[in-house]
Amino acid sequence: AQSVAQPEDQVNVAEGNPLTVKCTYSVSGNPYLFWYVQYPNRGLQFLLKYITGDNLVKGSYGFEAEFNKSQTSFHLKKPSALVSDSALYFCAVRPLGQNFVFGPGTRLSVLP
Amino acid sequence: DGGITQSPKYLFRKEGQNVTLSCEQNLNHDAMYWYRQDPGQGLRLIYYSQIVNDFQKGDIAEGYSVSREKKESFPLTVTSAQKNPTAFYLCASQSGWMSGGTEAFFGQGTRLTVV
Repeated sequence: AQSVAQPEDQVNVAEGNPLTVKCTYSVSGNPYLFWYVQYPNRGLQFLLKYITGDNLVKGSYGFEAEFNKSQTSFHLKKPSALVSDSALYFCAVRPLGQNFVFGPGTRLSVLP
Repeated sequence: DGGITQSPKYLFRKEGQNVTLSCEQNLNHDAMYWYRQDPGQGLRLIYYSQIVNDFQKGDIAEGYSVSREKKESFPLTVTSAQKNPTAFYLCASQSGWMSGGTEAFFGQGTRLTVV
């Protein structure tokens, strides 16, 4: 079965420190990979995606993600966290010819 | 403004009632989706439509129905058969279902509460 894991329910980081939100996946083939962010009572906003090419992709609001094929991981990173980055983050994969598969989400809290 | 609009933002349903959630997009996207989000859980797919006049059941379609008579509209009806409808419902669209590498755009959601 296709699945996406986000092993941490909650990540706490101090403002100004680097942050990492982890994502691993188990799907067949070479899927497309996505990160979304959700603020309270809002829809999901697209942050970045990996299709092919460079393993480090850059996205919105200073976020980037590193694709590691051998570890089937796609971790979200940011060099310096802001309090306004506090939100719920979802990793998603899209196997070829199939629907999106979303992870359970990781709540990021950036402490001032 | 291009985007995807869900209405209403909040909806209250009495036991035994059917209610319809609206989803409209002006992005000229072929594919549309309905997801359900419960606290502490990820998104679960209710129904999806790859193209107008066609739709498919997702993982949790029981108690829900949809239609796709127009490209821009994909309404979701929560029927009385849905035993636990209280949740946050999200509609999304994508340029083409076969365009696997394109991201989905989400509406702002409808929070449905059974009273």
